Amino acid sequence: ETILTQSPVTLSLSPGERATLSCRASQSISSFLAWYQQKPGQAPRLLIYDTSKRATGVPARFSGSGSGTDFTLTISSLEPEDFAAYYCQQRGDGYNFGPGTKLEIK
Amino acid sequence: QVHLVESGGGVVQPGRSLRLSCAASGFKFSPYAMQWVRQAPGKGLEWVAVISYDGSYIRYADSVKDRFIISRDNSKNTLYLQMNSLGPEDTAVYYCARDNDLSGNGKGYFDHWGQGTLVTVSS
Repeated sequence: ETILTQSPVTLSLSPGERATLSCRASQSISSFLAWYQQKPGQAPRLLIYDTSKRATGVPARFSGSGSGTDFTLTISSLEPEDFAAYYCQQRGDGYNFGPGTKLEIK
Repeated sequence: QVHLVESGGGVVQPGRSLRLSCAASGFKFSPYAMQWVRQAPGKGLEWVAVISYDGSYIRYADSVKDRFIISRDNSKNTLYLQMNSLGPEDTAVYYCARDNDLSGNGKGYFDHWGQGTLVTVSS
């Protein structure tokens, strides 16, 4: 089973700053990785799939990159509504999620 | 638009059973694989089970294998999760989600989610 780890656990930034979130897989998952955003009390929302494809309606400030075992979600300029938890998920070997990164306001 | 509504959650004693439902609307249900994901209070997301569009492909997380059964009724646009031998570790919000793989075989990502239903296992 492929294990996903995310770093950092918590990221404290200010609106307007650039956010870089990392996800590492224990073995290669090619490009079969997604990113989800979850706000408190809400269901997760698909942001990025197949490493770099933005889901419908997702703003262009969200971008994904990587391949194999190392992946990155970048938010180019943080908006107030971007402060949330972010989870990566792989579908190369099962469907498991990473433990998440909490993006909080500094 | 796509709408998924889970129901059937509640408080249940350890060792008992519960069946969750997920009613789908706003899209043609039958061609899509469907997924269940859960989230324990204050914790991260845990994938639970997948079922292909026709029920021919089913997989479970190790943590629920042999206890949970996923099924679907395409004539009713409804997904189910039968949960047996429940334990405190099963306490979570349970979400159903649509799999965006156009083949319907569950090889995609989760593009639409319901709001979840809370299952609490406690004596």
